[in-house]
Amino acid sequence: EAGVAQSPRYKIIEKRQSVAFWCNPISGHATLYWYQQILGQGPKLLIQFQNNGVVDDSQLPKDRFSAERLKGVDSTLKIQPAKLEDSAVYLCASSRTTSTGELFFGEGSRLTVL
Amino acid sequence: KNEVEQSPQNLTAQEGEFITINCSYSVGISALHWLQQHPGGGIVSLFMLSSGKKKHGRLIATINIQEKHSSLHITASHPRDSAVYICAAGGADGLTFGKGTHLIIQP
Repeated sequence: EAGVAQSPRYKIIEKRQSVAFWCNPISGHATLYWYQQILGQGPKLLIQFQNNGVVDDSQLPKDRFSAERLKGVDSTLKIQPAKLEDSAVYLCASSRTTSTGELFFGEGSRLTVL
Repeated sequence: KNEVEQSPQNLTAQEGEFITINCSYSVGISALHWLQQHPGGGIVSLFMLSSGKKKHGRLIATINIQEKHSSLHITASHPRDSAVYICAAGGADGLTFGKGTHLIIQP
């Protein structure tokens, strides 16, 4: 079974530029999460999808972050414009069901904003 | 909102020692996840449990629902166990993560 795929693995941009991350969850997993992990901290949920609907985006900075999962499979997370404090690893995870389902994480996308 | 506390934050031990990492949470949950993150690596799910105890190789996870507490044990620890261990509590408001325990096992 293929795991959660993420790209790019690394991205370096200057502040005020834009960036997009892509995630392909495990086939059949209805729930998809985007997390932000700043160095030395635990993951922070940005957005949770159930199929193509948003379940929780309360911690997503909507003035600059956006995410979509149009067909209920792949998802993209966009940051525009980026700030220095957005430097972090962006983790995508999926599970077959909601918070009671086993989580599978991608390798993450490490963003550095200069 | 659930609050998840892990202890210790950092732990250095010698190879072969028995390791215990603790996790407590403030609100009743439906599942407790233990995750492992190696330096520069992705996160791997170790256990998901809602009651009792689970064992996988040298790893054991227990949970006490009444006390809102879970522990992760590593028997016969090895340098390759060096990683950050994160617990995450799953409930009605989704998953809440602890800050992680940074474990170093010295040969």
